[in-house]
Amino acid sequence: GQQLNQSPQSMFIQEGEDVSMNCTSSSIFNTWLWYKQDPGEGPVLLIALYKAGELTSNGRLTAQFGITRKDSFLNISASIPSDVGIYFCAGVYTNAGKSTFGDGTTLTVKP
Amino acid sequence: GAVVSQHPSRVICKSGTSVKIECRSLDFQATTMFWYRQFPKQSLMLMATSNEGSKATYEQGVEKDKFLINHASLTLSTLTVTSAHPEDSSFYICSARPPFMSSYNEQFFGPGTRLTVL
Repeated sequence: GQQLNQSPQSMFIQEGEDVSMNCTSSSIFNTWLWYKQDPGEGPVLLIALYKAGELTSNGRLTAQFGITRKDSFLNISASIPSDVGIYFCAGVYTNAGKSTFGDGTTLTVKP
Repeated sequence: GAVVSQHPSRVICKSGTSVKIECRSLDFQATTMFWYRQFPKQSLMLMATSNEGSKATYEQGVEKDKFLINHASLTLSTLTVTSAHPEDSSFYICSARPPFMSSYNEQFFGPGTRLTVL
């Protein structure tokens, strides 16, 4: 089956620093999704990407759909304490099909 | 828009009992809902795809007689954990996909249900 490699597994950064995380796959996807999960809650959709090469921003978050369709990255600029959480990437191959999730990146922001 | 609710948020039950978890799409109709299971510090594991008006599609290794799914309406799917045992203790999360063409691959998640089986 399709698998996603998400890295890094965890990050410890200082407030105000920028953050970058990515997901790669051996197979192509037609949609890339980025979610954030706070402890004890369900994931919240941050950004959805539908076209290869697409670069989309949502506030301090920027995500890109890789040209090869096998990777995506998420950047967070000027991190703040509330950015703490687990970030998941997800890829969808078939329209309206299942999502394949990465293992998550745990972000810790030190004030 | 695209709000999904789950009930209950937490449940503690005795071993051998059955537990029903509800997933509702509050402001849209969802022909497809998904049920996930998540262990601490791990990713989401898809259990099954719930299709309105038809049988659910279970992932390999998930016992359909153990985890009963019913999607009787366009806004409600239920997951029943039958004869629960301590190893069924986990965080169960549902998601729903809106029918909007511009976002047909996006899933919106419920807040999750923490199941503890004693």
